[in-house]
Amino acid sequence: SYELTQPPSVSVSPGQTASITCSGDKLGDTYASWYQQKPGQAPVLVIYQDRQRPSGISERFSGSTSGNTATLTISGTQPLDEGDYFCQAWDTTSEVRTEVVFGGGTKLTVL
Amino acid sequence: QVQLVQSGAEAKKPGASVTVSCKATGYVFRSYGISWVRQAPGQGLEWMGWTKSYSGNANYAQRFQGRVTMTTDTSKNTAFMELTSLRSDDTAVYYCARIGDDVWGSHRLDLWGQGTPVTVSA
Repeated sequence: SYELTQPPSVSVSPGQTASITCSGDKLGDTYASWYQQKPGQAPVLVIYQDRQRPSGISERFSGSTSGNTATLTISGTQPLDEGDYFCQAWDTTSEVRTEVVFGGGTKLTVL
Repeated sequence: QVQLVQSGAEAKKPGASVTVSCKATGYVFRSYGISWVRQAPGQGLEWMGWTKSYSGNANYAQRFQGRVTMTTDTSKNTAFMELTSLRSDDTAVYYCARIGDDVWGSHRLDLWGQGTPVTVSA
């Protein structure tokens, strides 16, 4: 089955830039979205269509893609940015069905 | 207020079925699809399927095919997800989420319900 691969954890110092990658064979064919989830809460969309930011999301969040890798970048990282981040995309590997797949998640720690 | 409000926690025995509801307020329900996503304790997000609110047509993840049914009631602005033949590994928080676009290749989930914990235990 199709998989999106994320690093399990990323650590960053306050004020620095954090980058979280998401790799998948078909990522270049579809759009990536990114979600932030804090403990006990529902996920929140922070980036969609690779690089679009929903209204209300800080400008410190940005997205990019290169080949089959999508990257979420958080500039000027703050302690409130701590949480789990998940990438998401379409799985287009099958000719008969299209499914949605999530990456395994990356725990961001702001030390 | 634009929100999705889900039904409360459920406790079920193995082999039983569960139905989770998801009521939309503050937007035109039939204009957006609804996806269902679950999260087992300490685990990541798992997509289960989605439904078009205006038609009720659904597309299920292959691993849930035959066990899940997703429906909508546009008169009540509510979506439903039924999962049958429950097993202990179905224990998870189940989320509904609004599909915020209709662009091929994009499936942005821009509004989430609060989650419904479902526990399956003998």
